[in-house]
Amino acid sequence: QQPVQSPQAVILREGEDAVINCSSSKALYSVHWYRQKHGEAPVFLMILLKGGEQKGHEKISASFNEKKQQSSLYLTASQLSYSGTYFCGTEDASYNNNDMRFGAGTRLTVKP
Amino acid sequence: GAVVSQHPSWVICKSGTSVKIECRSLDFQATTMFWYRQFPKQSLMLMATSNEGSKATYEQGVEKDKFLINHASLTLSTLTVTSAHPEDSSFYICSARWGPSEKLFFGSGTQLSVL
Repeated sequence: QQPVQSPQAVILREGEDAVINCSSSKALYSVHWYRQKHGEAPVFLMILLKGGEQKGHEKISASFNEKKQQSSLYLTASQLSYSGTYFCGTEDASYNNNDMRFGAGTRLTVKP
Repeated sequence: GAVVSQHPSWVICKSGTSVKIECRSLDFQATTMFWYRQFPKQSLMLMATSNEGSKATYEQGVEKDKFLINHASLTLSTLTVTSAHPEDSSFYICSARWGPSEKLFFGSGTQLSVL
């Protein structure tokens, strides 16, 4: 079952912050975040494996609440290069970690 | 970084013909490869999970006899669209990883157009 992402789209000015949410009705083993720019393949951002885990990568960080089956991606002080579509991908705990389903995506546009 | 090569990048074929798409991991052994279908401005829809040496696991609603997946080696998986029809026209993209819960590396995708 696909995770649910929100919002569907976000428009920011450079320097503003954004939060993208991802939730599942199933117990999750992991949450992945990827960014896809137009006409390109998705690129890996980060994986979160443990309940309550938080990870950071420069100004992009994420959290994973295993109990609530939710993850959030935080983009701070956004840059023009952050524009693209962000996908969360989830591994269902009941699939022996052998699946990867993606949410509908969040289209992020950063304007000067 | 790890590289996944997908070929061809685009293909145009006539209705009723078959098309094969290759997905290769160039510098790592991919125990698992995933095949997705993506419509314009939409999400990546998982079609099947392919593990080396075993039969692919297809998602509900995906016809395994129409979308043949072979993962004969740790570096190569192929998707064959058999008896293609215009409704099969789409962007197909593969991804590979070297182990459970590892990050995915994506191919550049194949745009299939069936006339």
